[in-house]
Amino acid sequence: DAGVTQSPTHLIKTRGQQVTLRCSPISGHKSVSWYQQVLGQGPQFIFQYYEKEERGRGNFPDRFSARQFPNYSSELNVNALLLGDSALYLCASNSRDREGQETQYFGPGTRLLVL
Amino acid sequence: AQSVTQLDSHVSVSEGTPVLLRCNYSSSYSPSLFWYVQHPNKGLQLLLKYTSAATLVKGINGFEAEFKKSETSFHLTKPSAHMSDAAEYFCVVRTYSGAGSYQLTFGKGTKLSVIP
Repeated sequence: DAGVTQSPTHLIKTRGQQVTLRCSPISGHKSVSWYQQVLGQGPQFIFQYYEKEERGRGNFPDRFSARQFPNYSSELNVNALLLGDSALYLCASNSRDREGQETQYFGPGTRLLVL
Repeated sequence: AQSVTQLDSHVSVSEGTPVLLRCNYSSSYSPSLFWYVQHPNKGLQLLLKYTSAATLVKGINGFEAEFKKSETSFHLTKPSAHMSDAAEYFCVVRTYSGAGSYQLTFGKGTKLSVIP
C-alpha cells in the first residue's frame, strides 16, 4: 500500500509569491492534517480537514489556507510568502480505530525555501 | 492545555549500549502519547503510541516506552543502540482542537547520536 505522498519535494520561491503544496493520504483515510516544521524545531499544527471540511486550525495567519478534495487529497496554499515561511511542510494522513483513537501517519514533506 | 517537555536536547550513546530519551507530559486528563522519529531530511515515522491500554508500550525497531502517571513521564528506551538509530526523536501529545478533531503537539525534540 502506498503511504502518504507529497509534492513537490523541494520548492524555491521569492518573497511575496504564492505557493501550493499537495498531499495524497493513505488509501481509505478521510482526514489529513498539515504541519510546519521550521529548522531545528518540532512541527507546528496548521490545519486538519475531514471529508472536505476544516475541523481544526492552528495559530497561523490568514495567508495560510487549505482545502480537501472529494478524493481526500489536499492542498495547502500560502500567499504573500515571507522569509520566515521557509520550512518543511508535513502532511499527515489520519486514521481512527474502532475505539475512536486517532493516529497520524506522515508523508516525507515538502521543503520550501523563500528567498 | 496539554504539553510535553523533552528533557534533553541531545543524547549521545555508544553502539550497543542502552538508550534513554526522557519526556514529561502535562495533561488534565489521561493523555494519548506518541513517539515519532525523524531521520535527516526525512519525514516523521511513528515509533509507538500510548492510548490508555497497557502502560508499557512496545514499538518498532526494539523501542519501548512506559507511561508513568505518578511521574507524568513517558520515557523512550531501547536496550542496545544501533548506528541506524541516530536521528531526531519527538515526544508528542494528542490535543483536542474542537469539532471532533485532534492535533498533535510536539516536544522540541531530542537528537540521538550513536558513537561506533
